Amino acid sequence: DAKTTQPPSMDCAEGRAANLPCNHSTISGNEYVYWYRQIHSQGPQYIIHGLKNNETNEMASLIITEDRKSSTLILPHATLRDTAVYYCIVRPRDAGNMLTFGGGTRLMVKP
Amino acid sequence: GAVVSQHPSWVICKSGTSVKIECRSLDFQATTMFWYRQFPKQSLMLMATSNEGSKATYEQGVEKDKFLINHASLTLSTLTVTSAHPEDSSFYICSARSASGSRKNEQFFGPGTRLTVL
Repeated sequence: DAKTTQPPSMDCAEGRAANLPCNHSTISGNEYVYWYRQIHSQGPQYIIHGLKNNETNEMASLIITEDRKSSTLILPHATLRDTAVYYCIVRPRDAGNMLTFGGGTRLMVKP
Repeated sequence: GAVVSQHPSWVICKSGTSVKIECRSLDFQATTMFWYRQFPKQSLMLMATSNEGSKATYEQGVEKDKFLINHASLTLSTLTVTSAHPEDSSFYICSARSASGSRKNEQFFGPGTRLTVL
């Protein structure tokens, strides 16, 4: 799996958009970008994934650069409950391989 | 859909005893389940991959005789920590990979089990 680089921590004001960056410069053509988050003392929660087009669901938006070497997860209106560690992972969707977690970004949403 | 449960959610045991943790996929079948361990303020580390009906594959540095994994059905995998010691205290998380359907090969995570060994 390609490696990813994320800032270790970020702060965001409640109600504002949280933009979490991820670099994956060695991503392969068949690898998807996945985002998970882990709230304290809970299992990881799937957020969103994409290949090359931007994606949006009820939780977040995923913006992938044209060269696919980086992406940004956007939480449009962060709440205190969005405080968590956010993990960006790249892997082939159908590979069936386990997900390999890096350090992630610890997002702190502040009132 | 795609719910994974773990039992127990937390357990405290004495050093030298064994503890069994169950991981169940509640509404889908999982031919493969993964077991992760997470120490405080660290990321998840894969311990082993469990395939239904066959022996688990352990990551380097994980003792297979200490962490016994059984995946007897398409919806249940168990992790038994044998002769537990305080250094085994950790947060154990399982995930199940969907075997079919629109979310085939997606991984879904359980809520985790916090093990404390006294």
